Amino acid sequence: DGGITQSPKYLFRKEGQNVTLSCEQNLNHDAMYWYRQDPGQGLRLIYYSQIVNDFQKGDIAEGYSVSREKKESFPLTVTSAQKNPTAFYLCASSRSGSGELFFGEGSRLTVL
Amino acid sequence: EDKVVQSPLSLVVHEGDTVTLNCSYEVTNFRSLLWYKQEKKAPTFLFMLTSSGIEKKSGRLSSILDKKELFSILNITATQTGDSAIYLCAANSGGSNYKLTFGKGTLLTVNP
Repeated sequence: DGGITQSPKYLFRKEGQNVTLSCEQNLNHDAMYWYRQDPGQGLRLIYYSQIVNDFQKGDIAEGYSVSREKKESFPLTVTSAQKNPTAFYLCASSRSGSGELFFGEGSRLTVL
Repeated sequence: EDKVVQSPLSLVVHEGDTVTLNCSYEVTNFRSLLWYKQEKKAPTFLFMLTSSGIEKKSGRLSSILDKKELFSILNITATQTGDSAIYLCAANSGGSNYKLTFGKGTLLTVNP
């Protein structure tokens, strides 16, 4: 079945460590996105990529990094520079030119 | 700065009630407004609205957009416990189909 797979679903890390969240899609979508969701908050855009080897910062990119080496994959690294990394992270994809996003199941990161 | 405001932030109703969820937006170069339902993890797409005054329906859910007043509503009739979820509104803006600005969401609880 086509869809978006995020891993891991739950992740714990100590302060000062970098972590990488995986996002893979087999929908043949050109665009991919990373959002962060905090309790009582909407989704806030971290990074997005319209095409392979290209990506743009969203509204809250500081402390995060991404790569888009393959169309199917858009991993997100949460670096130690991110001040409040504990959150629920959602990856999404869309067809080129469409505003309709398809979301993964999310990854919940907890910093101890 | 683009902004999407949803109201109410939370709502508790009984099965069979009808509810109206509100979404107002202020975005640059507005293209479309989208509604998503988030039950546990992954938001799922409900509607995309681009034209004023044209109602979109899917079963007991319907939505309409007012581009003059910068407003959209989502109606749910004869609510069921399975309608309990966070309902997210998002505006597609900036002259690009790649950037969505989300509201904080409305948490709907339907009690039996």
